[in-house]
Amino acid sequence: ELKVEQNPLFLSMQEGKNYTIYCNYSTTSDRLYWYRQDPGKSLESLFVLLSNGAVKQEGRLMASLDTKARLSTLHITAAVHDLSATYFCAISKGSSNTGKLIFGQGTTLQVKP
Amino acid sequence: DTAVSQTPKYLVTQMGNDKSIKCEQNLGHDTMYWYKQDSKKFLKIMFSYNNKELIINETVPNRFSPKSPDKAHLNLHINSLELGDSAVYFCASSQSGFYSNQPQHFGDGTRLSIL
Repeated sequence: ELKVEQNPLFLSMQEGKNYTIYCNYSTTSDRLYWYRQDPGKSLESLFVLLSNGAVKQEGRLMASLDTKARLSTLHITAAVHDLSATYFCAISKGSSNTGKLIFGQGTTLQVKP
Repeated sequence: DTAVSQTPKYLVTQMGNDKSIKCEQNLGHDTMYWYKQDSKKFLKIMFSYNNKELIINETVPNRFSPKSPDKAHLNLHINSLELGDSAVYFCASSQSGFYSNQPQHFGDGTRLSIL
C-alpha cells in the first residue's frame, strides 16, 4: 500500500527556533513535493524535489530528498510567525507528470512570538 | 487572472440533492485533477483527466461523475448527496511530459456542507 507519513503532525515552536519536519514514503517515486496550506486556503507549492540528494532553499525553508531512505525533510530556520501553516509532503505516482499525488497527513506548524 | 478557479466557493445543501462544481484553468495545462480534503485535512485523489481523457479513477462512489468538455475545464457532478460527502474539494492542474518538473497547481477549493 502506498503510504506517506509525516512527523510530527503538530508542531508548536517559538520564534527564532529551528526545527525539521520529516516525510517518509513507502514506495519509489520520481518526484516529491512540499506544499503549504493556510487555514481555509488553497495549497501553495513550495518545492519540487526530483533526484536523490536534491536540496532546495527558499527563505527560511530548506527541503532535501534522500531517495534511498525514502525520506524528505523540511527544515525551518529561525522560525517567524508568518510560517504558521499546515505543510504537506506528497509523492507522485504515475508517468510523465500526470500521476496522482499521494499526500502525507500534514504537519500543522504554530509559531509563537 | 486566477490560474485555477473553482465555483462555487461554498456549497450548502440538503442530503439527497444533486450538485455540480466547476473548475477552469488558464495555465495551458493538459491534465486536471479532483482531490477531496476531509475534516482532518487529509487529501485524497479522486479523478484525473489528460486531454479530456479519464486517466485516474480512484475508488469513488459512482454518485460522483467528472466531466471534461475540454482540457481547460473539469467539472464534478455529485448525485444523491450524503452526509459523508461534506468536505473541501480541490481542483488542480499540471502539464504532462517526462521532463516536466512543475508542481500541480491547486484551486481555492469548494467547501461542501451537507445538512
